[in-house]
Amino acid sequence: AQSVTQLGSHVSVSEGALVLLRCNYSSSVPPYLFWYVQYPNQGLQLLLKYTSAATLVKGINGFEAEFKKSETSFHLTKPSAHMSDAAEYFCAVGLKAAGNKLTFGGGTRVLVKP
Amino acid sequence: EAEVAQSPRYKITEKSQAVAFWCDPISGHATLYWYRQILGQGPELLVQFQDESVVDDSQLPKDRFSAERLKGVDSTLKIQPAELGDSAMYLCASSVWRDDEQFFGPGTRLTVL
Repeated sequence: AQSVTQLGSHVSVSEGALVLLRCNYSSSVPPYLFWYVQYPNQGLQLLLKYTSAATLVKGINGFEAEFKKSETSFHLTKPSAHMSDAAEYFCAVGLKAAGNKLTFGGGTRVLVKP
Repeated sequence: EAEVAQSPRYKITEKSQAVAFWCDPISGHATLYWYRQILGQGPELLVQFQDESVVDDSQLPKDRFSAERLKGVDSTLKIQPAELGDSAMYLCASSVWRDDEQFFGPGTRLTVL
């Protein structure tokens, strides 16, 4: 079985400050890991994914995440927050052997203060 | 840019009524997913199709939910009868094949009164 825990359901950052969203996973086999962003009343958009290549993954909109096997973590960061980053962010784990079935975390809502 | 289409975007119904949601995946995508997202939570997979076949419906409440993808293209998710606890966003996603990136539609927000 696989599971995802996102620490902090809400995060508030100032514009220009570092964004750090935490994600820890549990998986019995090497996982695929994903970060998605969701704007109000919209579907999910893929930010980045880890599929066993480079452990530091760069995504869209200046986001990146680092896979740390020893810590079972896949934290998402962005050096400088922009107002347009205000949204909800979901970490997900997928198993290729399970048809890429995704298990999502509970989400972290990001508020950006001017 | 190709997108996953869903309709309706919003649906309000009374409990015990029947509701149906429609999804049109990106052309050429063989795999189609239906997710349910309860407010404040992450999406949960309800059913996964590979072409017209169901490959995973382990989390689908089969006593009231049904899903079909008859020609392996568009898909319909039905709830009959709807219950108050079914209020949620229903998301459809598609991918070229089961191992590939999933692209999500805008969702249908269901409110059961």
